Amino acid sequence: GQQVMQIPQYQHVQEGEDFTTYCNSSTTLSNIQWYKQRPGGHPVFLIQLVKSGEVKKQKRLTFQFGEAKKNSSLHITATQTTDVGTYFCAGPWNTDKLIFGTGTRLQVFP
Amino acid sequence: NAGVTQTPKFRILKIGQSMTLQCAQDMNHNYMYWYRQDPGMGLKLIYYSVGAGITDKGEVPNGYNVSRSTTEDFPLRLELAAPSQTSVYFCASSYSAGGSGYTFGSGTRLTVV
Repeated sequence: GQQVMQIPQYQHVQEGEDFTTYCNSSTTLSNIQWYKQRPGGHPVFLIQLVKSGEVKKQKRLTFQFGEAKKNSSLHITATQTTDVGTYFCAGPWNTDKLIFGTGTRLQVFP
Repeated sequence: NAGVTQTPKFRILKIGQSMTLQCAQDMNHNYMYWYRQDPGMGLKLIYYSVGAGITDKGEVPNGYNVSRSTTEDFPLRLELAAPSQTSVYFCASSYSAGGSGYTFGSGTRLTVV
């Protein structure tokens, strides 16, 4: 069945360092979504990418959708302690629901 | 707007007991979903609904049931609770199927002992 994998599973960084998480799907996706879940919280929608090769930015966050629409990445520049949490990518599964990636847990040390 | 409201926030069940997790949204979304998240893990889809009166199974439906009698409400029923159902349960809704962001509720943390 369809699978969405993310690497790394965990990442510990010093505040101010950059961070990148990668998302890979076993099938071509019509779009890719990214969510952030703070510790003890619920997933919060960040962004959706639709076009092949699309790049979108939100302040220090840069999201990219691969040319083949099977992979995506999230890059955070100069991490802050407020960036702590788990980042999930998600892609459509059988058109009417999302399948979520395995997630990357980010820890930022001050 | 309240968004997606889940009740209760916490619950402890004994093995074999039953309960209903409530989920309500006020955004007039047709699409609603139930996910479970085990500690340190990702989200697994239990059941989903594309509109009132229509429900379907997700990845892990065994031990659960749902109903969707109105657009607003999507309760999840646990019958004969088992320790394997200890998890955090999230309800979510969306405007379109897989093509728009999901709005999640704050979750129900369930422990079965």
